[in-house]
Amino acid sequence: SQKIEQNSEALNIQEGKTATLTCNYTNYSPAYLQWYRQDPGRGPVFLLLIRENEKEKRKERLKVTFDTTLKQSLFHITASQPADSATYLCALGDSSYKLIFGSGTRLLVRP
Amino acid sequence: EAQVTQNPRYLITVTGKKLTVTCSQNMNHEYMSWYRQDPGLGLRQIYYSMNVEVTDKGDVPEGYKVSRKEKRNFPLILESPSPNQTSLYFCASSFLAGEEQFFGPGTRLTVL
Repeated sequence: SQKIEQNSEALNIQEGKTATLTCNYTNYSPAYLQWYRQDPGRGPVFLLLIRENEKEKRKERLKVTFDTTLKQSLFHITASQPADSATYLCALGDSSYKLIFGSGTRLLVRP
Repeated sequence: EAQVTQNPRYLITVTGKKLTVTCSQNMNHEYMSWYRQDPGLGLRQIYYSMNVEVTDKGDVPEGYKVSRKEKRNFPLILESPSPNQTSLYFCASSFLAGEEQFFGPGTRLTVL
C-alpha cells in the first residue's frame, strides 16, 4: 500500500542553522508534492508545491527538492528562527488528485 | 477576507445521532476536500470534490457522506456517528485540483 514517511522524532536545532526535513514515499508515483506548516490547534498552511518534472523550488528561506528516483523530498529552511517552530507536513498527489499526507515532523528552533 | 469557514468548531454528540459539519469558501475555488487528523496518523482524506456535483472517495470515506450542490459549500455528513469518528476535521479548498490548499480552522468532534 502507499506509504509516506516523515521523521516522527522532533528536529531540534539552533537559531540561524539550516533545518532539513525529509519525506520518503513507497508504492506511489506522485505527480506533485506539497509542503505545509501546521501550528498547534490550527489548520495547515501551504508553503511550497513541486511537480514531478521539477528538481528544486525556492521561496525566500525555503527550498524543496524532489527526487523521484530516490522517492524522496527534502525541505530546507535556511537561517532558521524560533518562529519557524511548528510541525511540517508533506503531501503527495497523483493524477486522480487524491492527496496523501505524511504524519509530519515537529521542528523546534532554539534561540 | 478570503477564507474557509467550518461550523461548528467544537461538537460533542452521542452515538447514532446524525450530524452535519458545514464548510464554506469565498474564493470561488473548484476543488474542496475533507480530512480527519488523528494523533500519529496525520491527515487522512475523507472525500474530495473537483467541482459542483462531482465527489470522490479519499482514503477513509466509510461512515461519511458529502454533497457539492453549490461551488462554495461542501458539507460533511455523519449519518450514524460512532466513537471511532472522534477526531479533528479539516475542510480545505483550492482554485484547481493539485494546487495549494487553503484549510479551515478545524472542527473538533467527540462522539460518546
